Amino acid sequence: GEDVEQSLFLSVREGDSSVINCTYTDSSSTYLYWYKQEPGAGLQLLTYIFSNMDMKQDQRLTVLLNKKDKHLSLRIADTQTGDSAIYFCAEESGGYQKVTFGTGTKLQVIP
Amino acid sequence: DVKVTQSSRYLVKRTGEKVFLECVQDMDHENMFWYRQDPGLGLRLIYFSYDVKMKEKGDIPEGYSVSREKKERFSLILESASTNQTSMYLCASSPRTGTYEQYFGPGTRLTVT
Repeated sequence: GEDVEQSLFLSVREGDSSVINCTYTDSSSTYLYWYKQEPGAGLQLLTYIFSNMDMKQDQRLTVLLNKKDKHLSLRIADTQTGDSAIYFCAEESGGYQKVTFGTGTKLQVIP
Repeated sequence: DVKVTQSSRYLVKRTGEKVFLECVQDMDHENMFWYRQDPGLGLRLIYFSYDVKMKEKGDIPEGYSVSREKKERFSLILESASTNQTSMYLCASSPRTGTYEQYFGPGTRLTVT
């Protein structure tokens, strides 16, 4: 199957920007997503980007998409301790509205 | 408020037991999914269903089966539990239109001893 790759861990200081990177595999994906998983909970959609867009901004979140390199990034401005979580990159692929998830990046915010 | 519920948060079973994990959604979604989550491996799709009584294998179906008799309910069955099936199991549902956003349950942490 396809592999969506992310680094496993990122540590930032409170107030700094966080950038989480992802490479995906399916160039025909219509949507690419970022999901957030807080401790002890299931995943929740944070934001998504349509494949014909290069950038999407939503308050403190900026998503950048480079289709040529199949690279997706999530920037969180002014990172807060409440942003500590696991962030999953995902691509819609394989038909039937299936989604392939990455390995997840654990974001640790240091006060 | 949309909701996906899973029958148990924690479950401990013995090797060889038959295990049932149940998932219910109240959003009238057509699609339902079962994943397992393991550290360093992310989410891996076990099975999914795009309609009642329909099922499709995901990436790691071996040792599992599923049942979808009603639209709102999707069950995962471990026919004979093994220790390598110790994991976090997540259920999700999504609509067939729009952005296909998946809504997740809180997960079931299964330990097989």
